[in-house]
Amino acid sequence: KQEVTQIPAALSVPEGENLVLNCSFTDSAIYNLQWFRQDPGKGLTSLLLIQSSQREQTSGRLNASLDKSSGRSTLYIAASQPGDSATYLCAVKANAGGTSYGKLTFGQGTILTVHP
Amino acid sequence: DAGVTQSPTHLIKTRGQQVTLRCSPKSGHDTVSWYQQALGQGPQFIFQYYEEEERQRGNFPDRFSGHQFPNYSSELNVNALLLGDSALYLCASSSRGRSVQYFGPGTRLTVT
Repeated sequence: KQEVTQIPAALSVPEGENLVLNCSFTDSAIYNLQWFRQDPGKGLTSLLLIQSSQREQTSGRLNASLDKSSGRSTLYIAASQPGDSATYLCAVKANAGGTSYGKLTFGQGTILTVHP
Repeated sequence: DAGVTQSPTHLIKTRGQQVTLRCSPKSGHDTVSWYQQALGQGPQFIFQYYEEEERQRGNFPDRFSGHQFPNYSSELNVNALLLGDSALYLCASSSRGRSVQYFGPGTRLTVT
């Protein structure tokens, strides 16, 4: 059974800091890994998706890396801003016979607060 | 282009009642997945529908059932509601052959 763990559970930083969020998973047979952002009481916004054959993806100030063999991913946020305050979730999709179907297994999230 | 839409936004029900939640996928998407997110937790997979059939199911009791219509929209039904069913219910859609799932804003269900 796939289990996803995110560390830390909460993080508070001053504006401008670079930060790293961690995600680990127990079963390395994944199809892809996705990072999401969730604002309080809202749905999920996809930030980055890394296919199992990729090592990293970048979008603006965000960079996500994947080390499938060790079951780890990191989300790096550069020059953090108060608007980055949200819960960040990572999710892995199982390799369902090489297809894109299948459930996402989520971690519990990291609550990020960036204060001015 | 409208994204994934869900209705209603909020719902309050009494223990033992039944509830139906609705989801319209993003244009061009044919696969719908449902997730339950309890307060302070990550979403938990309930089931996934493609071609009007349940293709995969998570660890949820039979009180949770669903349906997908020919236009790819979907319903989630929960019978005999329990207090523990109070959660944010999220719908996600995707297109065959593409991996990214797009999530709707969710339906907040409160069971009293």
